[in-house]
Amino acid sequence: KAGVTQTPRYLIKTRGQQVTLSCSPISGHRSVSWYQQTPGQGLQFLFEYFSETQRNKGNFPGRFSGRQFSNSRSEMNVSTLELGDSALYLCASSLRDPAGDTQYFGPGTRLTVL
Amino acid sequence: DAKTTQPPSMDCAEGRAANLPCNHSTISGNEYVYWYRQIHSQGPQYIIHGLKNNETNEMASLIITEDRKSSTLILPHATLRDTAVYYCIVRAPLRGNEKLTFGTGTRLTIIP
Repeated sequence: KAGVTQTPRYLIKTRGQQVTLSCSPISGHRSVSWYQQTPGQGLQFLFEYFSETQRNKGNFPGRFSGRQFSNSRSEMNVSTLELGDSALYLCASSLRDPAGDTQYFGPGTRLTVL
Repeated sequence: DAKTTQPPSMDCAEGRAANLPCNHSTISGNEYVYWYRQIHSQGPQYIIHGLKNNETNEMASLIITEDRKSSTLILPHATLRDTAVYYCIVRAPLRGNEKLTFGTGTRLTIIP
């Protein structure tokens, strides 16, 4: 099975712009979670989607949003970029049922805000 | 989810077994122990998980003490590509909150 894929892998934007990141989960997985990783804050949970519904949300401002499509693919959007948004954005997918709850991560998108 | 404690760093000679400890003294009865690793600037890679029995897969073995308050991840024949930060996490599956909380982990360096 193919793993979790994320596009693009690298992105450079300037302050004030917006960005959309994409995640394709492992085939058959219905849950997609997004995380932000920075050297100072470590791995921080952004939100989780299951069957096109946001089930959980972390403590991030409203500039961070996401959605999930019927094929379980997910996108996250960051509007009005700030320098502090520079980070590795990770997507993780899981089956989200008793048979398989392990989260598998994609390679991440490295976002640099100038 | 219960808190975990790991040593900040460890070295291991190439070809030897790497034994990474993790303390989770407040673990609950329904919480699993998960191990992930992260090679610089890549996404975390799932390694193994277990509840109370020892587990083994193609990557590693997981030894959980009988009281479940600690565990050890064993990489049987470490290679240079095993150099990474290893994270031990305890969580109850399907509790409604899918957030994973990674601590600071153990930076494992494999020495040639």
